[in-house]
Amino acid sequence: EVQILETGGGLVKPGGSLRLSCATSGFNFNDYFMNWVRQAPGKGLEWVAQIRNKNYNYATYYAESLEGRVTISRDDSKSSVYLQVSSLRAEDTAIYYCTRGGALGYWGQGVMVTVSS
Amino acid sequence: DVVLTQTPPTLSATIGQSVSISCRSSQSLLHSNGNTYLHWLLQRPGQSPQLLIYSVSRLESGVPNRFSGSGSGTDFTLKISGVEAEDLGVYYCVQGTHAPYTFGAGTKLELK
Repeated sequence: EVQILETGGGLVKPGGSLRLSCATSGFNFNDYFMNWVRQAPGKGLEWVAQIRNKNYNYATYYAESLEGRVTISRDDSKSSVYLQVSSLRAEDTAIYYCTRGGALGYWGQGVMVTVSS
Repeated sequence: DVVLTQTPPTLSATIGQSVSISCRSSQSLLHSNGNTYLHWLLQRPGQSPQLLIYSVSRLESGVPNRFSGSGSGTDFTLKISGVEAEDLGVYYCVQGTHAPYTFGAGTKLELK
């Protein structure tokens, strides 16, 4: 069974940083692209970042609205993907989801990030 | 960035009714490799999104076959042939042909 579990969310002050983790199991992690998608309260979905697999040289892509403030990375030995977000703003408040594959086929339950003083 | 326009924003249906959701793209979603990376997701209330249809018309494993997808280029449609209560929620189209990925604004399916 595919499992995706995000951790690392919480309350952060504006200007602060956060590292989100996504642990996976139940599939061959090395074969898949991985993504982060976020959803502000009561709003729609916003893609944040993607990291491709070794076959694609671990290429990374970012939403323009976040570029320069986010870094996606992965550790294939731990079947995990990470999202480092810095210079956090109130508008970064959202549920952050980790999703598998180019077609966003599996989603974790999400982790809440609240940016507030 | 590619803009995906979903219509209608809200859809009211009775159980058993067939409904369609449109997703129009600001540019062609045909990739240079010949594939079209247009997918459909459903987010039920209080849940994470789930993939229903990938690459325009391919049914994700475990998804009931009352869901179907069609289209090409810039115009795409999700059809539900006989709405069931468990289908209620917000439907999103998403494109992965052009970086960055972009989502439609969503279509909320409600019971009439």
